[in-house]
Amino acid sequence: GESVGLHLPTLSVQEGDNSIINCAYSNSASDYFIWYKQESGKGPQFIIDIRSNMDKRQGQRVTVLLNKTVKHLSLQIAATQPGDSAVYFCGGGKSTFGDGTTLTVKP
Amino acid sequence: KAGVTQTPRYLIKTRGQQVTLSCSPISGHRSVSWYQQTPGQGLQFLFEYFSETQRNKGNFPGRFSGRQFSNSRSEMNVSTLELGDSALYLCASSGDSLRGETQYFGPGTRLLVL
Repeated sequence: GESVGLHLPTLSVQEGDNSIINCAYSNSASDYFIWYKQESGKGPQFIIDIRSNMDKRQGQRVTVLLNKTVKHLSLQIAATQPGDSAVYFCGGGKSTFGDGTTLTVKP
Repeated sequence: KAGVTQTPRYLIKTRGQQVTLSCSPISGHRSVSWYQQTPGQGLQFLFEYFSETQRNKGNFPGRFSGRQFSNSRSEMNVSTLELGDSALYLCASSGDSLRGETQYFGPGTRLLVL
């Protein structure tokens, strides 16, 4: 079946540092993957996505890496800011999601 | 453009009752998906509607049902509520379910079953 999962439930970083959030997926996951950010009391917000025929995609301060060999997905946030504090989770298509990593940015 | 809206935002029901939640997608979006989010299970897919047809369905019992209207607005119904149905119910819309376009989530309806 399809599944995605995150490696760590929490991550704490200093403001200005880079953050890396990881996600693993199973054999039959979707052909595209998405990272979402969810702040308290709000719905998930799209950050960036990547198709399975790519291995890297960059956005504004964010980079997603896809390693199909080990079935691993990561989200890198450059120069992390306090406003980046939220729960981040990955998704495989529209129907499969990881549990989420809570990112806390310390000033 | 206005974002995805969901009503009501908060709801308290008792076991055995039924509930209907509403979702209005972004104007022009034809795909609406519903999700249940709980601290223990995370975000779980319920179903997706596209042009009034259910296109995909998650692994939930038949007590969970939905529909989509010609204006793309969607409703989700849960019958015979159980305590475990307490959750945040989210809907998301996108332009074309076949191409996997970016989904935009609403703020959710928080349902508490007593």
